[in-house]
Amino acid sequence: DIQMTQSPSSLSASVGDRVTITCQASQDISNYLNWYQQKPGKAPKLLIYDASNLETGVPSRFSGSGSGTDFTFTISSLQPEDIATYYCQQYDNLRLTFGGGTKVEIK
Amino acid sequence: EVQLVQSGAEVKKPGESLKISCKGSGYSFTSYWIGWVRQMPGKGLEWMGIIYPGDSDTRYSPSFQGQVTISADKSISTAYLQWSSLKASDTAMYYCARPRSDTSKEVAFDIWGQGTMVTVSS
Repeated sequence: DIQMTQSPSSLSASVGDRVTITCQASQDISNYLNWYQQKPGKAPKLLIYDASNLETGVPSRFSGSGSGTDFTFTISSLQPEDIATYYCQQYDNLRLTFGGGTKVEIK
Repeated sequence: EVQLVQSGAEVKKPGESLKISCKGSGYSFTSYWIGWVRQMPGKGLEWMGIIYPGDSDTRYSPSFQGQVTISADKSISTAYLQWSSLKASDTAMYYCARPRSDTSKEVAFDIWGQGTMVTVSS
């Protein structure tokens, strides 16, 4: 099965900072990569699908890029409401895997 | 409104059986896959499996194959996750989720249930 290595596992940044999270797949997954945000006590929320497509209603400060095995998720200007855990997720022929998650905190 | 509504929290003893549910509404239930995701306390998301209610085609994560059974009753637009013999390590929040696309080519979950907390304790 495809393994997803997400890093860092946690980060602390100031409001307005640019935040970057990476996800590496154990084999080529083309652009079959999604990003989710999960706040405590809530279900995950889809932010980015197919590596770089912004889900409807999601603020444009969120973006994604990459293909093949290396992917990046970026928050261009961190806001207080962005405090959450972020997960990547790959889908390859209906076999899914989530990354380990990145907890984002305010410094 | 498209939504998934899950059954309520459960408290069970080790060795007991359990079936939790996920009812879809506001869309064609038979046209979209439904996935199940586990989240153990304080831990990350784990994909368990996925079912296509239209024909009950089901795929499991190797980690959960043989440990749980995923099913669906399209007549009542409901998917299920069941255990025959629960263990303490099954204590977790369980989410059902629906992809944004009705094809199997893209599995990005944009609709999520509210989650069902399962607690297994003697």
